[in-house]
Amino acid sequence: NAGVTQTPKFRVLKTGQSMTLLCAQDMNHEYMYWYRQDPGMGLRLIHYSVGEGTTAKGEVPDGYNVSRLKKQNFLLGLESAAPSQTSVYFCASSYGSGAFFGQGTRLTVV
Amino acid sequence: DAKTTQPTSMDCAEGRAANLPCNHSTISGNEYVYWYRQIHSQGPQYIIHGLKNNETNEMASLIITEDRKSSTLILPHATLRDTAVYYCIVRSHMDSNYQLIWGAGTKLIIKP
Repeated sequence: NAGVTQTPKFRVLKTGQSMTLLCAQDMNHEYMYWYRQDPGMGLRLIHYSVGEGTTAKGEVPDGYNVSRLKKQNFLLGLESAAPSQTSVYFCASSYGSGAFFGQGTRLTVV
Repeated sequence: DAKTTQPTSMDCAEGRAANLPCNHSTISGNEYVYWYRQIHSQGPQYIIHGLKNNETNEMASLIITEDRKSSTLILPHATLRDTAVYYCIVRSHMDSNYQLIWGAGTKLIIKP
C-alpha cells in the first residue's frame, strides 16, 4: 500500500533550469495538492486539483505550473527555477476529509 | 493567516498524557477542527478531526469546548515517537478545495 509517492526525493537545480516533480497516489482520491514548506514555517498551498483534468491556484502559485492528466498523478513544474523556490515540496491527496501526504521533495536552487 | 493559535512548544514525560491546546475563537458553524502532526523531515500525518462532539480514534482524542472556541488534542500515553510539530487547523467542508491554512504549530517534545 504505497499511498502518496513523490519523486524525486532530492534535487539541486541551477537558477533558470526547469524540472517536474511527480506525485502519484493509489487511493483513488479526487483531490490532490502541492504545498511548499520553508524552514520553521507551516505549509503553503501552491496549486490543487479537485479531479482529473482540473487544476486551480492556491496561496503561492507564481513560478509554478501543474497538470492532472490522470487521476492518480499530479505534476508540479518549475519552468525557470529561482533561489526563492528552494524549499521542501509536499504532495497530498484527499477523499474530502483527512489528507494523506507524501514524504516530500527537498529542492535546492543555486 | 491561520485561524488558530497554539503554544510554540510543550514538553511531556514519556508515558504521560500529552494535552495540546488550540484556540480558534473565530471558528464558524460549518468549520471543522483538524489536527495533523509532522515528525522531523517527514510529510504531515492526519490525526483526527471533529465538528462539535468529542472524537476518539486509535491515535488520539479531540475535546472541543461547548462554544467551539477552543479544543485540546490528547495523546493518552505519549511515547518518544510522538515528538513532532502538531498543527491545529480549521476548515469548512463546504469548501470545494482543501486549502488548509497552516500556522507554525506546537513543537511537542516527549522526554524519557
